Amino acid sequence: EAQVTQNPRYLITVTGKKLTVTCSQNMNHEYMSWYRQDPGLGLRQIYYSMNVEVTDKGDVPEGYKVSRKEKRNFPLILESPSPNQTSLYFCASSASGTSGREQYFGPGTRLTVT
Amino acid sequence: AQRVTQPEKLLSVFKGAPVELKCNYSYSGSPELFWYVQYSRQRLQLLLRHISRESIKGFTADLNKGETSFHLKKPFAQEEDSAMYYCALYSGGYQKVTFGTGTKLQVIP
Repeated sequence: EAQVTQNPRYLITVTGKKLTVTCSQNMNHEYMSWYRQDPGLGLRQIYYSMNVEVTDKGDVPEGYKVSRKEKRNFPLILESPSPNQTSLYFCASSASGTSGREQYFGPGTRLTVT
Repeated sequence: AQRVTQPEKLLSVFKGAPVELKCNYSYSGSPELFWYVQYSRQRLQLLLRHISRESIKGFTADLNKGETSFHLKKPFAQEEDSAMYYCALYSGGYQKVTFGTGTKLQVIP
């Protein structure tokens, strides 16, 4: 089954404790993105990647890091989480080309930073 | 900078009534616009894209470059249409994507 998976689905952590949220897709998609979803603000793009070793900042990259060492994986790293990073995070992937703009979303990771 | 505006946070309509979810955009280039939908407890999924001019689940959306709008319409609302709807703008050839803040559609039986 074609899908995007994220782990963990729920995470409660403390300020300053480094964490990684994994994202994996099995559709051989070139593009992958991370978003955060906050009430009243909708989805905001954090980082995106056009292919292996090619990443770029979205609208809200501060406090986050990403890497794309393999095509299927796009982990989101919070080196020193803070309470304002409490949010619902979505990973998404899509194929390249004008016909491949549809993004396939993961189930989301609910992160709470205390 | 590109921007997507969805002015209504909540839109309540009765079953069988027409629906129009508004989306306005600001972008200097040639826009690629999409509507995504998120049903309760489900992940976001594509509803429709302007380039294909298709009708999905009875919904249509026309890109109006003069008014910089991409409103989502359906002539007769159904209860199963209740969901969160997001308008999204893609810039250039990459995956820089800007979403609107979303409109919650509530269809009253």
